[in-house]
Amino acid sequence: QVQLVESGGGVVQPERSLTLSCAASGFTFSSYLMHWVRQAPGKGLECLAVIYPDENKRYYADSVKGRFGISRDNSKDTLYLHMNNLGVEDTALYYCARDPGGTYDSWGQGTLVIVSS
Amino acid sequence: DVVMTQSPLSLPVTLGQPASISCRSSQSLVSSDGNTYLNWFQQRPGQSPRRLIYKVSNRDSGVPDRFSGSGSGADFTLKISRVEAEDVAVYYCMQGTHWPWTFGQGTKVDIK
Repeated sequence: QVQLVESGGGVVQPERSLTLSCAASGFTFSSYLMHWVRQAPGKGLECLAVIYPDENKRYYADSVKGRFGISRDNSKDTLYLHMNNLGVEDTALYYCARDPGGTYDSWGQGTLVIVSS
Repeated sequence: DVVMTQSPLSLPVTLGQPASISCRSSQSLVSSDGNTYLNWFQQRPGQSPRRLIYKVSNRDSGVPDRFSGSGSGADFTLKISRVEAEDVAVYYCMQGTHWPWTFGQGTKVDIK
């Protein structure tokens, strides 16, 4: 079955960097668009970034544009989120999600990022 | 960005009674390919979101048929015909037509 497992979260100081990973299994990873979505504690959901299957297109929400980078390694079935210049407002649970077209049909369990000095 | 507005934000419901959540978008969600990418997700406490409905009215496999979605253009509704205890959750609408995709604020359904 489809499985998405995020990792790499933790406590990080403001202005520092962190890279999240999402290991995919149970489907042909290289065929799907993949996203990162986050949820601040007690808050709603925010789409952050999307990457196309062959990496030729990537789009970002304005809140992270210029600071975050999405990438993927189709040989390793893994999605990444490179986060730079983190601020306290980036504290959230970060999910990866599979996109079969205009929707999310599978989500990971999330990895928690806490930005704190 | 497309703004998704849900109402109500809190919905206490008696077990066995119906519930209805409205979701309105700030612009039409009809895509250039003719599809309307309006989705509904359920998030139970401590869990990841789970998709219930996609493209307005298509129910996911395993989703009870008491859940139904309807609407068109910029006005959509999720209905639960008879609320059960396991339906206690936050429900989000989400549009996947215009980037960045956006979610509604969420509607918390609990039992009276």
